[in-house]
Amino acid sequence: NAGVMQNPRHLVRRRGQEARLRCSPMKGHSHVYWYRQLPEEGLKFMVYLQKENIIDESGMPKERFSAEFPKEGPSILRIQQVVRGDSAAYFCASSPAGEDYFGNGTRLTVT
Amino acid sequence: AQSVTQPDIHITVSEGASLELRCNYSYGATPYLFWYVQSPGQGLQLLLKYFSGDTLVQGIKGFEAEFKRSQSSFNLRKPSVHWSDAAEYFCAVGLTNTGNQFYFGTGTSLTVIP
Repeated sequence: NAGVMQNPRHLVRRRGQEARLRCSPMKGHSHVYWYRQLPEEGLKFMVYLQKENIIDESGMPKERFSAEFPKEGPSILRIQQVVRGDSAAYFCASSPAGEDYFGNGTRLTVT
Repeated sequence: AQSVTQPDIHITVSEGASLELRCNYSYGATPYLFWYVQSPGQGLQLLLKYFSGDTLVQGIKGFEAEFKRSQSSFNLRKPSVHWSDAAEYFCAVGLTNTGNQFYFGTGTSLTVIP
């Protein structure tokens, strides 16, 4: 899983600011998944993307959250106007098929 | 709806003792089943997976898991626990018909005492 790169590792934002989380999938992987892990909970699926397409965003909150996976560059999870409840670890995974390789996550703290 | 249940929130075992972590799932089709381990502040590392075939699967670090369809279970076992096994363990179900997104259990935290 060391091949999936997420940055930053830690991100601190004040309420109302924007948070941008980046994920570079493993080489050759065209599927990217974002998960959120709230304190003392398991990971919850947020969104599934392929290059330039959102395949499934059923786990994304309806407001303030968006994700993209452009033709070039990393996948971006964007959280606008962050609130304290957004504090969590956000994990990205990439996959060829049938198995996800996870990054080490971005830990977002909203103060 | 799909769900994964890990009934034990926290388990403490002595080093050298055997370990079994429970996982039950609810899913209408043939599941893809996984166990991941997460050390503090780290990402998830795959221990083992079941797709089909032999219901007893071997993984890394001496772990194994057995798929029991009749019980909808996929319990993780290790015959002799090492102190370095202390971590959070997550069971996950992968969907076969809507892509690769996973449903995770809430995790079992393992403490190993000397």
